[in-house]
Amino acid sequence: QLQLQESGPGLVKPSETLSLTCTVSGGSISSNSYYWGWIRQPPGKGLEWIGSIYYSGTTYYNASLNSRVTISVDTSKNQFSLKLRSVTAADTAVYYCARARRGSQGFDYWGQGTLVAVSS
Amino acid sequence: EIVLTQSPGTLSLSPGETATLSCRASQSVSSSYLAWYQQKPGQAPRLLIYAASSRATGIPDRFSGSGSGTDFTLTISRLEPEDFAVYYCQQYVNSQYTFGQGTKVEIK
Repeated sequence: QLQLQESGPGLVKPSETLSLTCTVSGGSISSNSYYWGWIRQPPGKGLEWIGSIYYSGTTYYNASLNSRVTISVDTSKNQFSLKLRSVTAADTAVYYCARARRGSQGFDYWGQGTLVAVSS
Repeated sequence: EIVLTQSPGTLSLSPGETATLSCRASQSVSSSYLAWYQQKPGQAPRLLIYAASSRATGIPDRFSGSGSGTDFTLTISRLEPEDFAVYYCQQYVNSQYTFGQGTKVEIK
């Protein structure tokens, strides 16, 4: 059974960089059938896609966050990571990692999510 | 950017009734790239429907999706107590994903 697990600090100071890692178990991140993505959800609000990566390193970012986001993949560790720079309180959210199948682009497996608060 | 608008914002129904949820796109969306999710409090979203009308693995047949172009519908027949949740539609085009704002299905 595929599992995804987010990890990283739960508290980040304003203007600093938010860094999260998603560890994939029960399957290979190097499969050519899937993309791997980050989605976030501010408390009490809806879902926002941040960006996605293919195992080869090809990335796609939300145009509204593009200037602050970097997503990378480490196939040797079966992990992919998110960096969001210059954070503000508006970046406080539950951050999810998830898998999307090529061809349908629905996110069929999700991590449990991790709450990241931006506060001094 | 394609904007997805879901309606109604909240749907108040009783168990056993049928829920009809709407998702309207600001531009035409390929049916291949329209999905629906269910989210319960404190949980990650769960994929229900992909490619507008295909049920994901393990999803009961009381959940069905339909539509094309700019108008899509999620129908939940014979509502069960565990179906009361928030539902999101999502589309993918030109390497960009967007989600609708959600519809809450609550117990009447």
